[in-house]
Amino acid sequence: NAGVTQTPKFQVLKTGQSMTLQCAQDMNHNSMYWYRQDPGMGLRLIYYSASEGTTDKGEVPNGYNVSRLNKREFSLRLESAAPSQTSVYFCASKNRGHYEQYFGPGTRLTVT
Amino acid sequence: GEDVEQSLFLSVREGDSSVINCTYTDSSSTYLYWYKQEPGAGLQLLTYIFSNMDMKQDQRLTVLLNKKDKHLSLRIADTQTGDSAIYFCAESNTNAGKSTFGDGTTLTVKP
Repeated sequence: NAGVTQTPKFQVLKTGQSMTLQCAQDMNHNSMYWYRQDPGMGLRLIYYSASEGTTDKGEVPNGYNVSRLNKREFSLRLESAAPSQTSVYFCASKNRGHYEQYFGPGTRLTVT
Repeated sequence: GEDVEQSLFLSVREGDSSVINCTYTDSSSTYLYWYKQEPGAGLQLLTYIFSNMDMKQDQRLTVLLNKKDKHLSLRIADTQTGDSAIYFCAESNTNAGKSTFGDGTTLTVKP
């Protein structure tokens, strides 16, 4: 099992560019999450998907869109990147009836 | 909304015990967690406790929960340099839903 994988690991964008962060899990988990982590801060939930076919806004959804492509994959899209979106982005997954969220290694995004 | 607070830094000597504290506001929190983040990596679940428990012990880790004061602590016995990391407290009130994380406590272990 690879667990939760994220691509790319690093990305630099110019203001106004768009990109999609990819996340996949091979643990057959129902729920998937996207977080951002800023220096000195905890994780803030951007969007989550409790099950295939559903998505919900988290604490900081503005400027982002998500797609739960299938049970394995949950992508995060920045349509028009802004410097305030410079952050480390973590994807996580979890199965119903269990307590642990499994995290990917993160994508370090810089917007100039 | 829910809020989880932690002190930002803790420094201890190798072999000492470390105690990391956390407070939360949501009285309906059902699950409380401690995650560890090593440099450049994602978070890894260390341990969790249900809100109907007062204490949970797992090898060198002891979690204490004071539900009345909404206070959670993580004690690491015989702290080692490999324990240096950021520790996050988190809570959730549903099994399938989202968690709220604290800002993390950076633990530095000095030899």
